[in-house]
Amino acid sequence: GAGVSQTPSNKVTEKGKYVELRCDPISGHTALYWYRQSLGQGPEFLIYFQGTGAADDSGLPNDRFFAVRPEGSVSTLKIQRTERGDSAVYLCASSLWGSTRPGELFFGEGSRLTVL
Amino acid sequence: GENVEQHPSTLSVQEGDSAVIKCTYSDSASNYFPWYKQELGKRPQLIIDIRSNVGEKKDQRIAVTLNKTAKHFSLHITETQPEDSAVYFCAADISNFGNEKLTFGTGTRLTIIP
Repeated sequence: GAGVSQTPSNKVTEKGKYVELRCDPISGHTALYWYRQSLGQGPEFLIYFQGTGAADDSGLPNDRFFAVRPEGSVSTLKIQRTERGDSAVYLCASSLWGSTRPGELFFGEGSRLTVL
Repeated sequence: GENVEQHPSTLSVQEGDSAVIKCTYSDSASNYFPWYKQELGKRPQLIIDIRSNVGEKKDQRIAVTLNKTAKHFSLHITETQPEDSAVYFCAADISNFGNEKLTFGTGTRLTIIP
């Protein structure tokens, strides 16, 4: 597609439920990132993939959070036993290493997660 | 880890005037400093970036300056226009090839007064 696509755009769930958020990066982008943005804050790094492997998952807050990218394209962020503090906008981004402007992140519109 | 502080949190300027947003970072190894613009309800978009081997970079009405000794960098917008109204985020990263783990500031809400 033309840009980074994220689904769902909005997700309301109850405390304790399991949630999956999907990201479809720009075609050909090898690097994929998940960030979390709380209201009034800057994006907070969660995890970064280079290809299929997680190159850096140091931003995942705890073991309830997990992300996969099995074929090096689409990624899924999985949150188990959701808590109210998980409520935020989850942003996915991709980038193309070796491009004319290395380092530019292309963000999706985000998935707004609300945990009741 | 890296810590990025951004000031001011809100800024209002008359249309046509200049706006300056400042950021400081803590990790002297950081070498890549992008600025992202986020309009209400929209995705962040890169507007300008600078690497540590450069002290200043300009792109039309937007410029960024970097002082590695003091570990601070600034965004300058001249001749502001209503469409410049948005939240601006600075960020810092240790990277030779691109973004790996950007640390963002808390954002500056810029309002341009017509």
